[in-house]
Amino acid sequence: EVQMVESGGGLVQPGGSLRLSCSASGFILSDYAMSWVRQAPGKGLEWVSIISGGGGTTYYADSVKGRFTISRDTSDKTLYLQMNSLRLEDTAIYYCARDRVAYLASGSYYVEWGQGALVTVSS
Amino acid sequence: DIQMTQSPSSLSASVGDRVSFTCRASLSIGTYLNWYQQKPGKAPKLLIYGASNLQSGVPSRFSGSGSGTDFTLTISSLQPEDFASYFCQQSHAFPHTFGLGTKLQIK
Repeated sequence: EVQMVESGGGLVQPGGSLRLSCSASGFILSDYAMSWVRQAPGKGLEWVSIISGGGGTTYYADSVKGRFTISRDTSDKTLYLQMNSLRLEDTAIYYCARDRVAYLASGSYYVEWGQGALVTVSS
Repeated sequence: DIQMTQSPSSLSASVGDRVSFTCRASLSIGTYLNWYQQKPGKAPKLLIYGASNLQSGVPSRFSGSGSGTDFTLTISSLQPEDFASYFCQQSHAFPHTFGLGTKLQIK
């Protein structure tokens, strides 16, 4: 059974850092591109970042570029999101999502999602 | 970035109704358009990919159409479990942006 479990969320002050983890089971992590998608309280979905199956290619939303870093460790089957210089507007539930293939291309979509991790940026 | 505009932002309907939501892209995205359903406190669920392909396990009352810049999600006969929020997403170019969503409420 495919399962993805996020962890590492919590309360952090503006300007602080946090690292989210997404622990994957039931599939080979390197066989799929993986993404982070977030949702601010009461708002819509915002695509954040993606990493290829091999880990060599990444993309970011402009709103997080230069502050967030996506990475993966296939040996421990975990996807990460390092979040630095956090802002109030980064407050959201962060979901990890599995793409349909390993390479980054048009036509991707997310069938598998984690349950989400809440990140609250507040002083 | 490609902007995705969904309308309406909310919609009230009754069980058994046929409803449609629209999603417009700021430039042509071919058929690289996905639809997701989200219920409160839950992760999104994929309904339609590639504009018109029904994801496995999704009831056939859901259908998608469109290409280029204009897309439609239709529910042919609303069921109680369909009252939720619906989001479109383009996967033509990074970042793979989402629309702001349509909230479907019970009339």
